[in-house]
Amino acid sequence: NAGVTQTPKFQVLKTGQSMTLQCAQDMNHNSMYWYRQDPGMGLRLIYYSASEGTTDKGEVPNGYNVSRLNKREFSLRLESAAPSQTSVYFCASSEAIGAQRQQFFGPGTRLTVL
Amino acid sequence: GENVEQHPSTLSVQEGDSAVIKCTYSDSASNYFPWYKQELGKGPQLIIDIRSNVGEKKDQRIAVTLNKTAKHFSLHITETQPEDSAVYFCASDTGRRALTFGSGTRLQVQP
Repeated sequence: NAGVTQTPKFQVLKTGQSMTLQCAQDMNHNSMYWYRQDPGMGLRLIYYSASEGTTDKGEVPNGYNVSRLNKREFSLRLESAAPSQTSVYFCASSEAIGAQRQQFFGPGTRLTVL
Repeated sequence: GENVEQHPSTLSVQEGDSAVIKCTYSDSASNYFPWYKQELGKGPQLIIDIRSNVGEKKDQRIAVTLNKTAKHFSLHITETQPEDSAVYFCASDTGRRALTFGSGTRLQVQP
Protein backbone atom coordinates (compact mmCIF):
# COMPACT_ATOMS: atom_id res chain seq x y z
CA ASN A 1 0.00 0.00 0.00
CA ALA A 2 2.03 2.95 -1.30
CA GLY A 3 -0.52 5.67 -0.43
CA VAL A 4 -0.09 8.73 -2.68
CA THR A 5 2.78 8.70 -5.16
CA GLN A 6 4.04 11.58 -7.28
CA THR A 7 6.44 11.80 -10.19
CA PRO A 8 8.87 13.33 -10.79
CA LYS A 9 10.47 14.30 -7.45
CA PHE A 10 12.47 17.16 -8.96
CA GLN A 11 12.21 19.07 -12.24
CA VAL A 12 13.91 22.08 -13.79
CA LEU A 13 12.19 23.82 -16.69
CA LYS A 14 12.93 26.81 -18.86
CA THR A 15 10.34 29.54 -19.19
CA GLY A 16 7.75 28.53 -21.77
CA GLN A 17 8.31 24.79 -21.52
CA SER A 18 5.45 22.47 -20.64
CA MET A 19 5.26 19.49 -18.34
CA THR A 20 2.84 17.19 -16.55
CA LEU A 21 3.07 16.20 -12.91
CA GLN A 22 1.68 12.76 -12.22
CA CYS A 23 -0.15 11.61 -9.10
CA ALA A 24 -1.67 8.25 -8.17
CA GLN A 25 -3.33 6.86 -5.04
CA ASP A 26 -4.09 3.27 -4.11
CA MET A 27 -6.54 3.89 -1.25
CA ASN A 28 -9.69 3.87 -3.40
CA HIS A 29 -10.32 7.51 -2.52
CA ASN A 30 -12.93 9.50 -4.37
CA SER A 31 -11.40 12.97 -4.01
CA MET A 32 -8.00 14.22 -5.12
CA TYR A 33 -6.23 17.59 -4.87
CA TRP A 34 -3.28 19.57 -6.12
CA TYR A 35 -1.59 22.15 -3.87
CA ARG A 36 1.42 24.37 -4.23
CA GLN A 37 3.59 25.33 -1.27
CA ASP A 38 5.59 28.54 -1.21
CA PRO A 39 7.64 29.85 1.72
CA GLY A 40 5.46 31.57 4.33
CA MET A 41 2.25 30.93 2.41
CA GLY A 42 1.21 27.49 3.52
CA LEU A 43 -0.58 25.20 1.11
CA ARG A 44 -2.69 26.78 -1.60
CA LEU A 45 -5.22 24.75 -3.55
CA ILE A 46 -4.74 24.76 -7.31
CA TYR A 47 -7.43 22.32 -8.50
CA TYR A 48 -9.38 19.49 -7.01
CA SER A 49 -11.49 16.57 -8.16
CA ALA A 50 -14.37 15.65 -5.91
CA SER A 51 -14.96 12.40 -7.78
CA GLU A 52 -13.93 10.65 -10.97
CA GLY A 53 -15.02 12.72 -13.96
CA THR A 54 -15.20 16.07 -12.16
CA THR A 55 -12.63 18.82 -11.62
CA ASP A 56 -12.93 22.28 -10.06
CA LYS A 57 -10.75 25.32 -9.65
CA GLY A 58 -9.19 26.10 -6.33
CA GLU A 59 -7.58 29.25 -5.01
CA VAL A 60 -4.76 29.63 -7.60
CA PRO A 61 -5.72 27.84 -10.87
CA ASN A 62 -4.26 30.26 -13.43
CA GLY A 63 -1.54 28.70 -15.59
CA TYR A 64 -2.52 25.12 -14.76
CA ASN A 65 -4.79 22.41 -16.13
CA VAL A 66 -5.74 19.07 -14.61
CA SER A 67 -7.01 15.70 -15.74
CA ARG A 68 -8.70 13.08 -13.57
CA LEU A 69 -7.66 10.15 -15.71
CA ASN A 70 -9.48 7.55 -13.60
CA LYS A 71 -10.24 7.04 -9.92
CA ARG A 72 -6.56 6.48 -9.09
CA GLU A 73 -4.82 9.16 -11.12
CA PHE A 74 -4.93 12.96 -11.16
CA SER A 75 -2.40 14.89 -13.25
CA LEU A 76 -1.41 18.56 -13.24
CA ARG A 77 -0.18 20.23 -16.43
CA LEU A 78 1.78 23.43 -16.89
CA GLU A 79 1.29 24.46 -20.53
CA SER A 80 3.82 27.31 -20.58
CA ALA A 81 5.89 27.43 -17.41
CA ALA A 82 6.73 30.77 -15.80
CA PRO A 83 9.22 31.60 -13.01
CA SER A 84 6.27 32.38 -10.72
CA GLN A 85 5.39 28.68 -10.87
CA THR A 86 8.60 27.72 -9.10
CA SER A 87 7.27 25.91 -6.06
CA VAL A 88 6.80 22.57 -4.35
CA TYR A 89 3.70 20.77 -5.60
CA PHE A 90 1.77 18.31 -3.48
CA CYS A 91 -0.93 15.92 -4.53
CA ALA A 92 -3.38 14.66 -1.91
CA SER A 93 -6.38 12.38 -1.71
CA SER A 94 -9.25 11.80 0.69
CA GLU A 95 -12.18 9.46 1.06
CA ALA A 96 -14.66 12.12 -0.04
CA ILE A 97 -15.29 15.82 0.33
CA GLY A 98 -17.42 16.47 3.38
CA ALA A 99 -16.62 13.13 4.98
CA GLN A 100 -14.58 14.70 7.79
CA ARG A 101 -11.67 12.46 6.96
CA GLN A 102 -8.04 13.37 6.61
CA GLN A 103 -6.26 14.13 3.39
CA PHE A 104 -3.23 11.97 2.61
CA PHE A 105 -0.35 13.75 0.92
CA GLY A 106 2.27 12.59 -1.53
CA PRO A 107 6.00 13.36 -1.08
CA GLY A 108 5.91 16.40 -3.39
CA THR A 109 7.52 17.58 -6.63
CA ARG A 110 10.05 20.36 -6.38
CA LEU A 111 9.80 22.46 -9.56
CA THR A 112 12.18 25.22 -10.62
CA VAL A 113 11.40 27.39 -13.64
CA LEU A 114 14.34 29.37 -14.97
CA GLY B 1 -14.47 31.67 1.22
CA GLU B 2 -12.95 30.25 4.35
CA ASN B 3 -9.89 31.97 5.84
CA VAL B 4 -7.59 30.40 8.42
CA GLU B 5 -5.03 32.42 10.36
CA GLN B 6 -2.25 30.69 12.26
CA HIS B 7 0.13 32.05 14.93
CA PRO B 8 2.97 32.17 15.64
CA SER B 9 4.89 31.70 12.41
CA THR B 10 7.96 30.50 14.32
CA LEU B 11 8.27 29.05 17.81
CA SER B 12 11.40 28.03 19.68
CA VAL B 13 11.16 26.07 22.94
CA GLN B 14 13.51 24.17 25.20
CA GLU B 15 13.26 20.40 25.24
CA GLY B 16 10.69 19.37 27.83
CA ASP B 17 8.70 22.61 27.63
CA SER B 18 5.22 22.90 26.13
CA ALA B 19 4.37 24.44 22.77
CA VAL B 20 1.06 26.01 21.77
CA ILE B 21 -0.02 26.95 18.24
CA LYS B 22 -3.24 28.86 17.65
CA CYS B 23 -5.58 29.15 14.68
CA THR B 24 -8.73 31.07 13.92
CA TYR B 25 -11.21 30.39 11.14
CA SER B 26 -13.87 32.53 9.53
CA ASP B 27 -16.62 30.23 8.22
CA SER B 28 -19.05 29.10 10.92
CA ALA B 29 -19.94 26.10 8.72
CA SER B 30 -16.50 24.58 9.30
CA ASN B 31 -16.88 21.27 11.10
CA TYR B 32 -13.57 19.43 10.90
CA PHE B 33 -10.16 20.68 12.04
CA PRO B 34 -7.06 18.59 11.33
CA TRP B 35 -3.46 19.35 12.27
CA TYR B 36 -0.57 18.30 10.05
CA LYS B 37 3.15 17.96 10.72
CA GLN B 38 5.60 18.45 7.86
CA GLU B 39 9.19 17.31 8.20
CA LEU B 40 11.88 18.62 5.90
CA GLY B 41 11.52 17.35 2.35
CA LYS B 42 8.32 15.42 3.04
CA GLY B 43 4.60 15.87 2.57
CA PRO B 44 2.36 16.90 5.48
CA GLN B 45 1.11 14.09 7.73
CA LEU B 46 -1.93 14.17 10.00
CA ILE B 47 -1.09 14.16 13.70
CA ILE B 48 -4.48 14.84 15.27
CA ASP B 49 -7.92 16.09 14.26
CA ILE B 50 -11.10 17.26 15.96
CA ARG B 51 -14.71 17.50 14.87
CA SER B 52 -17.04 20.35 15.74
CA ASN B 53 -19.09 18.31 18.19
CA VAL B 54 -16.04 17.87 20.44
CA GLY B 55 -14.29 20.51 22.53
CA GLU B 56 -11.01 18.74 23.23
CA LYS B 57 -9.09 15.69 22.08
CA LYS B 58 -5.85 14.24 23.39
CA ASP B 59 -3.38 11.71 22.02
CA GLN B 60 -0.41 11.12 24.31
CA ARG B 61 1.63 14.37 24.30
CA ILE B 62 -0.57 16.11 21.76
CA ALA B 63 -3.93 17.76 22.41
CA VAL B 64 -6.25 19.97 20.40
CA THR B 65 -8.93 22.29 21.74
CA LEU B 66 -11.79 23.88 19.85
CA ASN B 67 -13.86 26.94 20.76
CA LYS B 68 -16.66 27.13 18.19
CA THR B 69 -18.10 30.33 19.60
CA ALA B 70 -14.83 32.20 19.20
CA LYS B 71 -13.85 30.21 16.06
CA HIS B 72 -10.51 29.29 17.63
CA PHE B 73 -8.66 26.01 17.78
CA SER B 74 -5.25 25.26 19.24
CA LEU B 75 -2.57 22.57 19.23
CA HIS B 76 -0.78 21.78 22.48
CA ILE B 77 2.38 19.70 22.59
CA THR B 78 3.69 18.80 26.05
CA GLU B 79 7.15 17.53 27.04
CA THR B 80 8.57 18.55 23.67
CA GLN B 81 11.39 16.51 22.16
CA PRO B 82 13.88 17.36 19.38
CA GLU B 83 11.95 15.11 16.98
CA ASP B 84 8.94 17.41 17.38
CA SER B 85 10.88 20.02 15.38
CA ALA B 86 8.96 20.52 12.12
CA VAL B 87 6.44 22.79 10.43
CA TYR B 88 2.88 22.43 11.73
CA PHE B 89 -0.24 23.37 9.77
CA CYS B 90 -3.77 23.78 11.00
CA ALA B 91 -6.68 23.41 8.59
CA SER B 92 -10.44 23.74 8.53
CA ASP B 93 -13.07 21.96 6.47
CA THR B 94 -16.51 23.30 5.60
CA GLY B 95 -17.39 20.05 3.82
CA ARG B 96 -17.94 21.87 0.54
CA ARG B 97 -14.51 21.38 -1.02
CA ALA B 98 -10.88 20.93 0.02
CA LEU B 99 -9.31 21.88 3.32
CA THR B 100 -8.22 25.47 3.91
CA PHE B 101 -4.77 25.59 5.52
CA GLY B 102 -3.12 28.07 7.82
CA SER B 103 0.25 29.50 6.83
CA GLY B 104 2.23 27.17 9.09
CA THR B 105 4.33 27.34 12.28
CA ARG B 106 7.98 26.36 12.31
CA LEU B 107 8.64 24.73 15.68
CA GLN B 108 12.23 24.36 16.85
CA VAL B 109 12.90 22.31 19.99
CA GLN B 110 16.29 23.14 21.46
CA PRO B 111 18.05 20.18 23.17
